Amino acid sequence: ETGVTQTPRHLVMGMTNKKSLKCEQHLGHNAMYWYKQSAKKPLELMFVYNFKEQTENNSVPSRFSPECPNSSHLFLHLHTLQPEDSALYLCASSQESPGHYGYTFGSGTRLTVV
Amino acid sequence: GQSLEQPSEVTAVEGAIVQINCTYQTSGFYGLSWYQQHDGGAPTFLSYNALDGLEETGRFSSFLSRSDSYGYLLLQELQMKDSASYFCAVRDLNTGFQKLVFGTGTRLLVSP
Repeated sequence: ETGVTQTPRHLVMGMTNKKSLKCEQHLGHNAMYWYKQSAKKPLELMFVYNFKEQTENNSVPSRFSPECPNSSHLFLHLHTLQPEDSALYLCASSQESPGHYGYTFGSGTRLTVV
Repeated sequence: GQSLEQPSEVTAVEGAIVQINCTYQTSGFYGLSWYQQHDGGAPTFLSYNALDGLEETGRFSSFLSRSDSYGYLLLQELQMKDSASYFCAVRDLNTGFQKLVFGTGTRLLVSP
């Protein structure tokens, strides 16, 4: 474990389903992120939360809805997804202060939309 | 916008040295990072360069030339466990301090 835990590890859902991805960090970091990783494409930043406040929404479709109830937990609510949304969804956290530069990633949720 | 270019794949043998290059285009460069990701695993932070020059951490070193918008990751004394994907990433001030933009990754294959 990296200090960032994501559940579930794998998820298969139909296009009409509603599901949620969960991320929890045990590092005391003050920022959390959702990234999408598709084959042969760079990691794409989806959302940024800093001190529980959303500071970035990288033009993500509304069928993806983030929630950050506190600085340790981050959710990604999914509804009416498309097959092209199948990907690895990675959560990350960081301590945004001088001298701290790295992100800590979770192992991701492998999502398949059928 | 920002873009980062890396080779898609590099092969090497155990004990060798390999260099993975990264060129970037960004208007508000703040720093260059490197991450390693094994198949099925989480990306893990390797190094960060904000200033020109070489940063060494054990078998891995990272170099930055801001004037050339170029950096590289140098892996020495390669081991089989180094087979993984390596990503460079830049922090871009113009798009927000926390926006870390990644390259497409370089798959390193280490053979015996």
